[in-house]
Amino acid sequence: DIQMTQSPSSVSASVGDRVTITCRASQDISTWLAWYQQKPGMAPKLLIYAASSLQSGVPSRFSGSGSGTDFTLTINTLQPEDSATYYCQQANSLYTFGQGTKLEIK
Amino acid sequence: QITLKESGPTLVKPTQTLTLTCTFSGFSLTTSGVGVGWIRQPPGKALEWLAVIYWDDDKRYTPSLKSRLTITRDTSKNQVVLSMTNMDPVDTATYFCAHKGQGFGAFVYWGQGTLVTVSS
Repeated sequence: DIQMTQSPSSVSASVGDRVTITCRASQDISTWLAWYQQKPGMAPKLLIYAASSLQSGVPSRFSGSGSGTDFTLTINTLQPEDSATYYCQQANSLYTFGQGTKLEIK
Repeated sequence: QITLKESGPTLVKPTQTLTLTCTFSGFSLTTSGVGVGWIRQPPGKALEWLAVIYWDDDKRYTPSLKSRLTITRDTSKNQVVLSMTNMDPVDTATYFCAHKGQGFGAFVYWGQGTLVTVSS
């Protein structure tokens, strides 16, 4: 089984800041990595697929990078509506989600 | 427009079998590369992928729950059904179904989710 480890588990930042969330896979997953945003009581929303491809309709302040085992989600110029929990998910071998990173806006 | 909606019981007793239905529209589960998956989320916890069924009727399950899960489809009704046997209180969660598009290693469209509570 492929395990996905996110860090940090929570982060607090101010409007206008840049935030980076890291996801590490327990083995090489190439670029089979997606990022989701989930707000309380809502279904997850796909942000990034194939490690760095921005899903249609997602603001360009969201970006993803990485390959192999190490990946990052970067949110530039943080907005109040970015307060949410973010999950990574691998699709190289079945599917596995990370444990989530809760982003709080100060 | 792609939509998915989960339906099923909100309360099940321990040891019972849970059967959930995902009814979808806006796509065909016979189109190459398409899949429908089930993902759950216990209250306050992370997402957990459970199962997926593909356009060619290939089925995959998360290893830790494989013995308890069955996923099937009815292409004429645009439905995917997930069954989970021997339910336990730890299986209390919101269960989501989601669409995996061709070329995407990700679930693009999601249902709203349905909360299932396991309690006697």
